[in-house]
Amino acid sequence: EVQLVESGGGLVQPGGSLRLSCAASGFTFSTYDMHWVRQVTGKGLEWVSGISVGGDTYYPGSVKGRFTISRENAKNSLYLQMNSLSAGDTAVYYCARVGNPWNWYFDLWGRGTLVTVSS
Amino acid sequence: DIQMTQSPSSLSASVGDRVTITCRASQAIRNYLAWYQQIPGKVPKLLIYAASTLQSGVPTRFSGGGSGTDFTLTISSLQPEDVATYYCQKYDSAPYTFGQGTKLEIK
Repeated sequence: EVQLVESGGGLVQPGGSLRLSCAASGFTFSTYDMHWVRQVTGKGLEWVSGISVGGDTYYPGSVKGRFTISRENAKNSLYLQMNSLSAGDTAVYYCARVGNPWNWYFDLWGRGTLVTVSS
Repeated sequence: DIQMTQSPSSLSASVGDRVTITCRASQAIRNYLAWYQQIPGKVPKLLIYAASTLQSGVPTRFSGGGSGTDFTLTISSLQPEDVATYYCQKYDSAPYTFGQGTKLEIK
């Protein structure tokens, strides 16, 4: 079955760090660009980061310098290292697959993992 | 950064109605626009990409149009299972911004 499964979410204190993982299965992970998208409960979608097949990374200004996306093709895994977390980072974090090289819309989404930043 | 603005923010319509949602980009993005459907409690689902190309498996009552700065998502005959929030997303270049969403309900 083609799927993405996120893990690593949880409760973290402000200023803390967390590393999310996304396990891919059912497709050739190494040939797909991948992204993270987050959603505050009851709110809209926010793009968080992206990584190309070649390892080029992209971030919006809101997380640049704090978040790092990476991939390990041998393990069919995507990661998001999140540092200096604040309450505004509280959200469900989705792993998403790019549908077409150089056309970064997302054709496959995981179920998400909840990150809560609170003291 | 290019902003994506959807209208309306919420919409109530009857089964069988034709429904149109608009997405406007603050600068031209050619046809690099996707639409997603998020049913309550579910993950987002890709409906349309390249502004007007229907993703495989998506019912043909959904259609997309537009180019440049103005885009539309149309449901030709609203069905009960279409109750959801709909998002547009630009993907011409980073940041890959989403619209704020349009919540669609049945009247």
